[in-house]
Amino acid sequence: KQEVTQIPAALSVPEGENLVLNCSFTDSAIYNLQWFRQDPGKGLTSLLLIQSSQREQTSGRLNASLDKSSGRSTLYIAASQPGDSATYLCAIYNFNKFYFGSGTKLNVKP
Amino acid sequence: DTEVTQTPKHLVMGMTNKKSLKCEQHMGHRAMYWYKQKAKKPPELMFVYSYEKLSINESVPSRFSPECPNSSLLNLHLHALQPEDSALYLCASSQVPQGPSYEQYFGPGTRLTVT
Repeated sequence: KQEVTQIPAALSVPEGENLVLNCSFTDSAIYNLQWFRQDPGKGLTSLLLIQSSQREQTSGRLNASLDKSSGRSTLYIAASQPGDSATYLCAIYNFNKFYFGSGTKLNVKP
Repeated sequence: DTEVTQTPKHLVMGMTNKKSLKCEQHMGHRAMYWYKQKAKKPPELMFVYSYEKLSINESVPSRFSPECPNSSLLNLHLHALQPEDSALYLCASSQVPQGPSYEQYFGPGTRLTVT
């Protein structure tokens, strides 16, 4: 069974810092990996999707990479802002199911 | 329009009540999902519908009964719930049931409290 781990569980940084969130998974047989953002009590907002044949995807200040051989993905956030404060979840998709990590709670201090 | 809508936003119900959660999307997606999310935990998959047919049931208790009347609508019927069923219930949809370009879109959720 696919297991997805996110480290750290929580992260607090000053505004303007570049930061990296990590996601690791145990089974490299994946269709894709998706990064989500979730604000407290709200639904999930899709940030980036990386297909299994891709190495990275970029959207604005966000860059996500995928290394299937090592079972890792990273989400890079450049020039962080207080509005980036949220919980970030990675999810692996294969065999009709999404496997979610437990998330990293990010706090960007003004 | 990449929106998934859910109603109601909040629901308080007693253990003997019957209520329903509703989810709607107009993106032409043919796969729809129900998730349950407890505080500070990731979403847990409950049900998957593909082409309006139930394809995955993650051993969910029968007090939760899903229904997909058409390709745009997904309901979750609730009956005789327990206080531990209190959670955020999320609906999601995707363009195809499987494939590497598959991307899930989530609704805002229904906050359910069982008293």
